[in-house]
Amino acid sequence: DTGVSQNPRHKITKRGQNVTFRCDPISEHNRLYWYRQTLGQGPEFLTYFQNEAQLEKSRLLSDRFSAERPKGSFSTLEIQRTEQGDSAMYLCAYAGLDEQFFGPGTRLTVL
Amino acid sequence: QKEVEQDPGPLSVPEGAIVSLNCTYSNSAFQYFMWYRQYSRKGPELLMYTYSSGNKEDGRFTAQVDKSSKYISLFIRDSQPSDSATYLCAMASGAQKLVFGQGTRLTINP
Repeated sequence: DTGVSQNPRHKITKRGQNVTFRCDPISEHNRLYWYRQTLGQGPEFLTYFQNEAQLEKSRLLSDRFSAERPKGSFSTLEIQRTEQGDSAMYLCAYAGLDEQFFGPGTRLTVL
Repeated sequence: QKEVEQDPGPLSVPEGAIVSLNCTYSNSAFQYFMWYRQYSRKGPELLMYTYSSGNKEDGRFTAQVDKSSKYISLFIRDSQPSDSATYLCAMASGAQKLVFGQGTRLTINP
């Protein structure tokens, strides 16, 4: 148990469709992060929340991507008009003091 | 040049061997250093975390940080087949994003 759940675990979609992923930390944590991991690579930072506020966004987060954390607990990541290049594992993490703990990820496959 | 460089391997060793995994980095602002283990199709699992130069030991695992050389290592003693996974180094300059290495795929052969 990593302390954070992600749903769905796997999503297959057709190019051009919109998808939404959800991240639920088991207990409240101020800082929540989203990362993307492609095959054979380490995770890459996408965005970061301090409570409800989105404090940093990577240049990887194009205008087709949007993330929210409406009540400072769970978070959602939406991708609009998906492209095949969006196929990846999307990871959510919460922060302890300085270290980060990851969820199991959502694997997105865009056909 | 990437901020964090990690030899992707793959690395294959016999059971019981000592394994050494390494990363170099270029950003001297990095203060926090972590090693994660990732099994296939799973999320990364935190193994070791340190913020100072020197060694930190936890069971069969030892993390070593040399800030002057911008070099970190993870040693695994008495390696087991269950240690077979991808190992990721990660570092951060504060309470912010982690920057990961590419990951090293490790196989421990019985």
